[in-house]
Amino acid sequence: NAGVMQNPRHLVRRRGQEARLRCSPMKGHSHVYWYRQLPEEGLKFMVYLQKENIIDESGMPKERFSAEFPKEGPSILRIQQVVRGDSAAYFCASSHREVSGNTIYFGEGSWLTVV
Amino acid sequence: DAKTTQPPSMDCAEGRAANLPCNHSTISGNEYVYWYRQIHSQGPQYIIHGLKNNETNEMASLIITEDRKSSTLILPHATLRDTAVYYCIVRVALHAGNMLTFGGGTRLMVKP
Repeated sequence: NAGVMQNPRHLVRRRGQEARLRCSPMKGHSHVYWYRQLPEEGLKFMVYLQKENIIDESGMPKERFSAEFPKEGPSILRIQQVVRGDSAAYFCASSHREVSGNTIYFGEGSWLTVV
Repeated sequence: DAKTTQPPSMDCAEGRAANLPCNHSTISGNEYVYWYRQIHSQGPQYIIHGLKNNETNEMASLIITEDRKSSTLILPHATLRDTAVYYCIVRVALHAGNMLTFGGGTRLMVKP
């Protein structure tokens, strides 16, 4: 069973460009989470999505960041007009729908570098 | 989710058991204890979780005290590849939407 797949693994963008990070959840998982880890810092929750719905975006920056999880295809985290402070590792995770004690599994991350 | 307290760092000799403690004195009755680890430059890896009873899998054992206010993750025979940051997280898991909140974790260094 394939794990959570993220691409690209590494992405370099110039200031002002757009970054798109993709995440395919584990097979059978309909819940997706995005986390960000700034250099030498901890993992911070950004957003939680189900298919076609944003459930909790309390950790998303107010501007330039958006996320979607369409009916078909991967979840996308989009960062517009990137700045150097957006340089970080972005981790996607997924879980099965509403199962008691369900476990969240993480992908290997996408490393964004803004130059 | 309840707050957890972990020592910031620990050392362990290769081949010996690594015992990583976690305090969660405000844990609620419906909160599970989860352990993840993050090896440098990799995504967090699920290790084990439990509610009340002790749990064991191929990676580790989880010992939860009777009052559930603390727990210990045991890696029975630590190897150099177990060097990582270990996170203890308590979480209400009745619904998939309850996300994980990561603290500082314990940086485990396994030494030859």
